[in-house]
Amino acid sequence: DAGVIQSPRHEVTEMGQEVTLRCKPISGHDYLFWYRQTMMRGLELLIYFNNNVPIDDSGMPEDRFSAKMPNASFSTLKIQPSEPRDSAVYFCASSLRATSGGSSSYNEQFFGPGTRLTVL
Amino acid sequence: AQTVTQSQPEMSVQEAETVTLSCTYDTSESDYYLFWYKQPPSRQMILVIRQEAYKQQNATENRFSVNFQKAAKSFSLKISDSQLGDAAMYFCAYRRYGQNFVFGPGTRLSVLP
Repeated sequence: DAGVIQSPRHEVTEMGQEVTLRCKPISGHDYLFWYRQTMMRGLELLIYFNNNVPIDDSGMPEDRFSAKMPNASFSTLKIQPSEPRDSAVYFCASSLRATSGGSSSYNEQFFGPGTRLTVL
Repeated sequence: AQTVTQSQPEMSVQEAETVTLSCTYDTSESDYYLFWYKQPPSRQMILVIRQEAYKQQNATENRFSVNFQKAAKSFSLKISDSQLGDAAMYFCAYRRYGQNFVFGPGTRLSVLP
């Protein structure tokens, strides 16, 4: 398996523009997570999905942020309009459901390489 | 809500020496998983080691081992024979079954030659 795939790897845009980040989870994983990482705030969970359904979006900072998962193999995180303070590294991660006593691979979270977003 | 605390923002260790990174967490659950992830300058998050709360035996992966104290809700990571490639941010994380992951703020480890 190729692992979690994110695109683009780097994005530079101007304030006010729409930004769309993309993620392809590992095939068969039923959990998908979006994180944002900055020096000031560390690693923040923005939203996570289970079986394509958003479970907890309390970490989404503002209405300018939205995330979708139209099918099991694709998710997007959209920022519209973007602002300089949105500059960060955005990670997508996927996992299987953690179960008691199950295979250890059922609880590990696999991260993508991240998208470095710069909003000028 | 579960929280994960890493009280050491930065640590340093001499090459070939041993270092211990601290992690404490808060939960009312009895069954859960704990993890240590490493993030080198490449930004890629890499799983270092995992521990299942129902197992009393501490997990070990080559030079990496944990000291899991369930009653104290403590989960420290010991790196033996430190190597230059161990320099990275280290994140402690908690996961209850079927729930999302909760990450600590991270500890930046420097390895001195």
